[in-house]
Amino acid sequence: AQTVTQSQPEMSVQEAETVTLSCTYDTSENNYYLFWYKQPPSRQMILVIRQEAYKQQNATENRFSVNFQKAAKSFSLKISDSQLGDTAMYFCAFISGSARQLTFGSGTQLTVLP
Amino acid sequence: KAGVTQTPRYLIKTRGQQVTLSCSPISGHRSVSWYQQTPGQGLQFLFEYFSETQRNKGNFPGRFSGRQFSNSRSEMNVSTLELGDSALYLCATSSGSYNFEQFFGPGTRLTVL
Repeated sequence: AQTVTQSQPEMSVQEAETVTLSCTYDTSENNYYLFWYKQPPSRQMILVIRQEAYKQQNATENRFSVNFQKAAKSFSLKISDSQLGDTAMYFCAFISGSARQLTFGSGTQLTVLP
Repeated sequence: KAGVTQTPRYLIKTRGQQVTLSCSPISGHRSVSWYQQTPGQGLQFLFEYFSETQRNKGNFPGRFSGRQFSNSRSEMNVSTLELGDSALYLCATSSGSYNFEQFFGPGTRLTVL
């Protein structure tokens, strides 16, 4: 069974600064994908960034980037130039080719301070 | 493209009743997954449907069931509601082939009294 661990229940960052959210996972699969989802107070789950396990290059989407360490089973999210609208719960999620179901971490509540 | 839609957005039921939630996927998406989100258990997978067939199932009692129609719309049903079924129920859809990216609807907030 796959597990996803987010060890930071809450974090805060000053507007315009950079913050990194941590995620580790455990799996015996070779074909899998990792995601970061954002859930603002509206509760709408929004995909932030995705990473295919077979790709060595770290994914980047504008101000969001990941540090994917496959051997260490680590998948952290870096948010640069933090904005007030980044305030949300962030979930790390895993999906494998065989299970086809998302396994989520417990989430990190990020607050961006003005 | 229109996003994933879920109806109703809010529901209040009493213990013992049953409830049906609906999810309409993004056009062209054939896979529909359901997740339950609670403060205590977090996000948990319920089941996934693809081409009207349940392809995967999570660890939930038989009171939780679902189905998918030929137009890919999906419904989930919870019978004999319990207080612990109070949750946000999220539907997520994907193309169902080798694209594992899932797009979520706004959710249905179910409160069981």
